Formats: sequence, structure tokens, C-alpha cells
Amino acid sequence: AQSVTQPDIHITVSEGASLELRCNYSYGATPYLFWYVQSPGQGLQLLLKYFSGDTLVQGIKGFEAEFKRSQSSFNLRKPSVHWSDAAEYFCAVGVNTGFQKLVFGTGTRLLVSP
Amino acid sequence: GAVVSQHPSRVICKSGTSVKIECRSLDFQATTMFWYRQFPKQSLMLMATSNEGSKATYEQGVEKDKFLINHASLTLSTLTVTSAHPEDSSFYICSARDLGGQETQYFGPGTRLLVL
Repeated sequence: AQSVTQPDIHITVSEGASLELRCNYSYGATPYLFWYVQSPGQGLQLLLKYFSGDTLVQGIKGFEAEFKRSQSSFNLRKPSVHWSDAAEYFCAVGVNTGFQKLVFGTGTRLLVSP
Repeated sequence: GAVVSQHPSRVICKSGTSVKIECRSLDFQATTMFWYRQFPKQSLMLMATSNEGSKATYEQGVEKDKFLINHASLTLSTLTVTSAHPEDSSFYICSARDLGGQETQYFGPGTRLLVL
């Protein structure tokens, strides 16, 4: 069955430091991969997505992610974290069941310390 | 672009009543919309997929008679929680798939439901 694993429940990073959030997926076919961010009490905002082509994808707010097929990973990175980046981050894989549905990981809560 | 709205953002109701939540794609057409439920500090669980002009497809374990979904137009889907009980209290989020946007789902801001 399709699944997404985000091994880190929460991560604390100092403002200005670099960030990497881990995501591993299990899916038999070529995956569509997404990263979303959720602020408290809000919906989800799309940060970036990978469908095909260049395995390093750029997103909004200075985020990037790299698809590594050999490791079944799609880790999210940012070179310098801002306090406003504190939020919940969800990795998701698109599963084609006749229509595309998303399977989400459990999320990683990012805390940013001064 | 690709804005999805939900109404209401927050609702409190008495046990046994029904609540309707609307999901609208504001600047694009969506033949497919999705309804999710999110418990505190947890991930999103897909409840059902709503296709314009046809019956919704429910995920395993989701009661279709309790969570009524209607997708009457290319920009509107509604979720009605019938005979709501306290255990239905949750954060409900919809998303809409942009036909021209390479299978990307855009999410609404969510509706917080509290059943007393």
C-alpha cells in the first residue's frame, strides 16, 4: 500500500540556520510528490511539487526539495530559516486511482528559535 | 490564482443537528474536489472524493449516509454532516484539483466543527 513517512515529529532550528525535513514514500509507480505547509488553524499551502524531469525542484518561500528514486525520498530544504517558517509541514504522494488522490505523511512541526 | 474558499470557517452546533460546509474554487474549475478530516496534531485523512455531476467516492470506514457530499457545479462542493455528534467535532478541509494545473490539489482554509 502507498504510504509516506516523515520520521521527525518536530524539529527545532535556530533562525538563520539551514533546514532539512525528511520524507520517504512507498509507491509502486512513478510518484507525484508534494510538500505542503500548514499554519495553526489554517488550510494547506502548496510549497512545491515533483512530477518528472529535474529531480531538484524549487518552490515558494525559498524552499527546495530533491527527489531521490534510489532512496524513495523527497526531502525538503531551506538554506536559511526565518521565524515565519514555523509551521507544520506535510509531505504527500499522489496516488492514481482513476483520479489523483493524496496520501499524506504524519507531518513535521518546525519550531524556530531566536 | 488557484484559490479555494470554505464556509463557514467555524461552526458550533447541538448534537443531533446537521451542518453544511461549502467548498468553492474561486478562480478555476474543479471537476474533482476532496474532503479531508484532521484531528488535533494529526495528519489529514481523506474522507471522500467528490466528482461534479456524479456520486462521491468514499474512503473505507467513512459513512456515506452521515457525511453527505454534493458537487453540483464545477466550482462548488458541499459536505453535510448529518445528525452530528460530539465525536464528529474536527477540522474539515476541502481541496480542489485544478484541471490545468497538472494534478495539483489546492486546499481551502478549513472549517472547525464543534458539536456540543
